[in-house]
Amino acid sequence: LAKTTQPISMDSYEGQEVNITCSHNNIATNDYITWYQQFPSQGPRFIIQGYKTKVTNEVASLFIPADRKSSTLSLPRVSLSDTAVYYCLVGDGSGGYQKVTFGTGTKLQVIP
Amino acid sequence: SQTIHQWPATLVQPVGSPLSLECTVEGTSNPNLYWYRQAAGRGLQLLFYSVGIGQISSEVPQNLSASRPQDRQFILSSKKLLLSDSGFYLCAWSVTGTRGETQYFGPGTRLLVL
Repeated sequence: LAKTTQPISMDSYEGQEVNITCSHNNIATNDYITWYQQFPSQGPRFIIQGYKTKVTNEVASLFIPADRKSSTLSLPRVSLSDTAVYYCLVGDGSGGYQKVTFGTGTKLQVIP
Repeated sequence: SQTIHQWPATLVQPVGSPLSLECTVEGTSNPNLYWYRQAAGRGLQLLFYSVGIGQISSEVPQNLSASRPQDRQFILSSKKLLLSDSGFYLCAWSVTGTRGETQYFGPGTRLLVL
């Protein structure tokens, strides 16, 4: 399984764009990159997933360079409600299951 | 649509007592099921996963066990709880073969062992 590395914490003011980068140097050819968001006392929630280049949905954008050894989650114009822990995971989902390792994630604190 | 349920939401148990946490999934068939534990301020630790009825794989040796008596039911158990078993327990499901196999989490059970 590809291991991921992300910053432990980040602070941002309301209204700013936040970029959280994740390193996954040993990502495999079949691996997808998935980001989750977790609020206190809740289970993680899927945000976005991609394989290469750029993916955008109503919540965030995911930028993946050509070598796929890193990825950047971009949250446009964050609000206080975006304060949460963000996890980056890689896995291929092939075979019977995806064993993933949720690290400590990145704790984003949005400041008024 | 698919939904996942966990109960109870919170639980306070004395050391040495048994434990049974239940997770059920609706709206999907033959899901992969997972049990995670999260200590305060920490990441998620995968405890067990199951790809089918009666098929359980353990990731971390401990005094916990898991069972899957039905396709969409996953149970986490212990015969004797330890103080270190306190934490936030999360059940999740995924579907084999889907792109990237996204996991969907339940609301969790907060367990406090005293």
